[in-house]
Amino acid sequence: DTGVSQDPRHKITKRGQNVTFRCDPISEHNRLYWYRQTLGQGPEFLTYFQNEAQLEKSRLLSDRFSAERPKGSFSTLEIQRTEQGDSAMYLCASSSGEGRELRDFGPGTRLTVL
Amino acid sequence: AQTVTQSQPEMSVQEAETVTLSCTYDTSENNYYLFWYKQPPSRQMILVIRQEAYKQQNATENRFSVNFQKAAKSFSLKISDSQLGDTAMYFCAFMRGDNDMRFGAGTRLTVKP
Repeated sequence: DTGVSQDPRHKITKRGQNVTFRCDPISEHNRLYWYRQTLGQGPEFLTYFQNEAQLEKSRLLSDRFSAERPKGSFSTLEIQRTEQGDSAMYLCASSSGEGRELRDFGPGTRLTVL
Repeated sequence: AQTVTQSQPEMSVQEAETVTLSCTYDTSENNYYLFWYKQPPSRQMILVIRQEAYKQQNATENRFSVNFQKAAKSFSLKISDSQLGDTAMYFCAFMRGDNDMRFGAGTRLTVKP
């Protein structure tokens, strides 16, 4: 296992388009987190899954954002009708139930909305 | 609400010297975790060190150590014998419960040869 992976690493899109990002966590980790990181800031929590259940969503996650983890393994984050303010790095992290405070982060997907 | 403040946007240090990055946080909780994460340029975030609030002893990981002052809600990171590879953004983070991890805005550290 090579750690948390994210795809794509970079995405450039035009305003109004939909985009989807994928995160593959460490295989034995049952918890998966999405964060958004804008330039010069620390990551901000978006949402979190335990297995396939989405347990919490931040108020940052507007109705244009949706996240899924259908089989409790990989997760997708979709942004509909992208806006320039959505430009950011989207980070995924995973952890086990026992070591939930120890999170492995992925390399992130950098989104640029033109 | 919990907040994490890193008051030093940028710092620099000469190779082999020691540098301390500051972090303060605000919480009414008694049990929580504190972390320092390192984010090298264009690379993923990795955990440097963590501290459990109920432990009075300061955490240490090789050249990295913390000064945890619970009453003052302060959690500084000391890097000894700085190396060029320590150049990165450093984020202080606070966590209580299962998922509520909050990060500071970060400190950009440059180690100069």
